[in-house]
Amino acid sequence: KQEVTQIPAALSVPEGENLVLNCSFTDSAIYNLQWFRQDPGKGLTSLLLIQSSQREQTSGRLNASLDKSSGRSTLYIAASQPGDSATYLCALISSGSARQLTFGSGTQLTVLP
Amino acid sequence: ETGVTQSPTHLIKTRGQQVTLRCSSQSGHNTVSWYQQALGQGPQFIFQYYREEENGRGNFPPRFSGLQFPNYSSELNVNALELDDSALYLCASSTDAWETQYFGPGTRLLVL
Repeated sequence: KQEVTQIPAALSVPEGENLVLNCSFTDSAIYNLQWFRQDPGKGLTSLLLIQSSQREQTSGRLNASLDKSSGRSTLYIAASQPGDSATYLCALISSGSARQLTFGSGTQLTVLP
Repeated sequence: ETGVTQSPTHLIKTRGQQVTLRCSSQSGHNTVSWYQQALGQGPQFIFQYYREEENGRGNFPPRFSGLQFPNYSSELNVNALELDDSALYLCASSTDAWETQYFGPGTRLLVL
């Protein structure tokens, strides 16, 4: 059974800092991996999707990497801003017949002005 | 282009009651997935519908059931509500079962 872990559960950084959020998974047979942002009490906003054959994806100040062999993905946020404060969730679809997203518990990020 | 919408936004029910949550998928999307998110946790997969057929189910009891309609909108029904069913229920749509899922704002259910 696929398990997804995100460490740390919470992170607080000063504005302007570059930071890395971590996601690890137990089964490397994945179809794709997504990073989402969730504001308090709200739905999920997709940030980046990495296909199994890709190593990284970039969008603006965000860069996500994928290393299937080690079961890890990272989300790099450059020059953090207070508006980046949210919970960041990593989720993946495993290969095979199952098509559901398996989520980690998220990292709650606070960027201090 | 209209995104994924869900109704109602909030709902309060008592234990033992039944509830129906609704989801309108994004235009052009034929797949809808439902997730339950307890406070402080990541979403848990309930089930997925593809072209009106159930296409996968997570570890939820049969009192969680669903439907997908010809216009690809969907309903989640929960019977015999329990206190632990209190959660944010999220709906996501996609162009195919394997593709990027776009999430709605969710329905917050409180069971008293």
